[in-house]
Amino acid sequence: GAGVSQSPSNKVTEKGKDVELRCDPISGHTALYWYRQSLGQGLEFLIYFQGNSAPDKSGLPSDRFSAERTGGSVSTLTIQRTQQEDSAVYLCASTPGHYGYTFGSGTRLTVV
Amino acid sequence: GQQVMQIPQYQHVQEGEDFTTYCNSSTTLSNIQWYKQRPGGHPVFLIQLVKSGEVKKQKRLTFQFGEAKKNSSLHITATQTTDVGTYFCALPSSNTGKLIFGQGTTLQVKP
Repeated sequence: GAGVSQSPSNKVTEKGKDVELRCDPISGHTALYWYRQSLGQGLEFLIYFQGNSAPDKSGLPSDRFSAERTGGSVSTLTIQRTQQEDSAVYLCASTPGHYGYTFGSGTRLTVV
Repeated sequence: GQQVMQIPQYQHVQEGEDFTTYCNSSTTLSNIQWYKQRPGGHPVFLIQLVKSGEVKKQKRLTFQFGEAKKNSSLHITATQTTDVGTYFCALPSSNTGKLIFGQGTTLQVKP
């Protein structure tokens, strides 16, 4: 596609439920990143995929968070047993190298 | 670990006034990137600076990379209401390909 696509755009879930967030990067972009942005805050790194290399998971806040990238393209971020502090906008970005991320519009997650 | 400080956190200006945001790193950088996020939007890449002392311009925006490659600035001349948003600097992590984002400077412009 022309840009990075994320779905859903909004997700409201009950505390304790699992959620899956999807990111479809720009075709051909080898690097894919997930960031989290809480209201009025900066961008918190979560996880980074580069080609076939092992992902950099150093930013995942707990073992309730996991992500995978299938076929070097689409990525899914899964949050198990959601908590209220997980409420945030989850942003995905892709890049062909290390120059200039292209971000998606994000998924706004609200845990009630 | 690698740290980045961006100041000021907020800036309110009258339309037509100038604006500057500063980004400082605890380590020497290979490059620095700048992004703009409009209210309710997502960050959009503006520019990457690579060379020591580099200055780049985009219309009313001037980007500078310090001589020691540890700091950078974004200056907007004669602000307009369309400049409203949060400006982030982003530094490459010293050991991986990920970017570390500053906390951002939120610019409000009064018409």
